[in-house]
Amino acid sequence: AQSVSQHNHHVILSEAASLELGCNYSYGGTVNLFWYVQYPGQHLQLLLKYFSGDPLVKGIKGFEAEFIKSKFSFNLRKPSVQWSDTAEYFCAVNEYSSYKLIFGSGTRLLVRP
Amino acid sequence: GAVVSQHPSWVICKSGTSVKIECRSLDFQATTMFWYRQFPKQSLMLMATSNEGSKATYEQGVEKDKFLINHASLTLSTLTVTSAHPEDSSFYICSAGTSGSFGEQFFGPGTRLTVL
Repeated sequence: AQSVSQHNHHVILSEAASLELGCNYSYGGTVNLFWYVQYPGQHLQLLLKYFSGDPLVKGIKGFEAEFIKSKFSFNLRKPSVQWSDTAEYFCAVNEYSSYKLIFGSGTRLLVRP
Repeated sequence: GAVVSQHPSWVICKSGTSVKIECRSLDFQATTMFWYRQFPKQSLMLMATSNEGSKATYEQGVEKDKFLINHASLTLSTLTVTSAHPEDSSFYICSAGTSGSFGEQFFGPGTRLTVL
């Protein structure tokens, strides 16, 4: 069965620090990859997505992610975090021919001002 | 665009009663809608997938007679928690997708259910 692993459950950073959140998935076929963010008290919002093409994708709010097929990874990065980035981040994957999203366990990011 | 709403945003009910939660796609037609459950500080667990006009597909371990899903139109899906018990208390989230969105889902704000 497909699974998605997020290695960091809790991350604490100071403002202006760089961020990298790991995401690995297990599925050998073609996949679509997503990062969603859930700000405190708000609903899930799409940060960025990868379907095909350039493996380095840029999303909203300065986030980017790189798809490395050989490593089954889709890590999320931001060069300089802000206090407003405090949220929970979810990596998700679905098979190319399916709408069914498999979510990772999430990473709680706390950015200290 | 691609806004999904849920109603109610929170509900408190007595044990044994049934609760209906609505999920609407406001500005697009959703060929597929999904219902998730999110426990505190945990990830989203897919409960079921519903396609307009057909029966929902439930994930393993989800009781279809307890969680009734109806997807009557391309903009509305409902989840009814029947004979609710305290262990059904949770955050229920719906999402919607379209045939042209390559599997991207648009999420509703969620409904917090508390069963007393």
